Amino acid sequence: AQSVSQHNHHVILSEAASLELGCNYSYGGTVNLFWYVQYPGQHLQLLLKYFSGDPLVKGIKGFEAEFIKSKFSFNLRKPSVQWSDTAEYFCAVKSSASKIIFGSGTRLSIRP
Amino acid sequence: KAGVTQTPRYLIKTRGQQVTLSCSPISGHRSVSWYQQTPGQGLQFLFEYFSETQRNKGNFPGRFSGRQFSNSRSEMNVSTLELGDSALYLCASSFRWGQGLSYNEQFFGPGTRLTVL
Repeated sequence: AQSVSQHNHHVILSEAASLELGCNYSYGGTVNLFWYVQYPGQHLQLLLKYFSGDPLVKGIKGFEAEFIKSKFSFNLRKPSVQWSDTAEYFCAVKSSASKIIFGSGTRLSIRP
Repeated sequence: KAGVTQTPRYLIKTRGQQVTLSCSPISGHRSVSWYQQTPGQGLQFLFEYFSETQRNKGNFPGRFSGRQFSNSRSEMNVSTLELGDSALYLCASSFRWGQGLSYNEQFFGPGTRLTVL
């Protein structure tokens, strides 16, 4: 069965630190990959997506993610985080045959 | 353009009761999906409706049911509530339903926080 793993449950960083959140999935076929963000008190919103083409995907607010097919990974990165990046981040995977599957989420706390 | 709206925003129920949650999608969107969000579990897919038909279903017991109306509004019902049903229930709308891999962005509502005592 298809699954998504986010191994970091809670990450704490200082402002200006670099960020990398891990996401691994299990499915051998073609997939679409997503990162969603949920800021405190706000709706879940799409941060970035990969459908095909360039495996390095750029999203909103300076975030990017790299799809590495051989590692079944889609890690989220940002070179310099801000306090406003404090949020919960969800990785999600969709194959043609199934519904979208979300990871358990990573809570990011930024120290000002 | 108004976003996805969910009512009510908060609910407190007791075990054994039933509850109905409502979701109004973005105008023009015909697909509505429901998710259960709990700490540590992330979002778990409940079901997806398109054109009043359930197109996809997650691994939840039969106590969880839903429906969609001709105006694309959707309701979710949970019968015989259990303590473990306490969660944030999210609704997401999209233009098409999630068949295949064609791009189909989902837009999420604010959720209904259900507390079962």
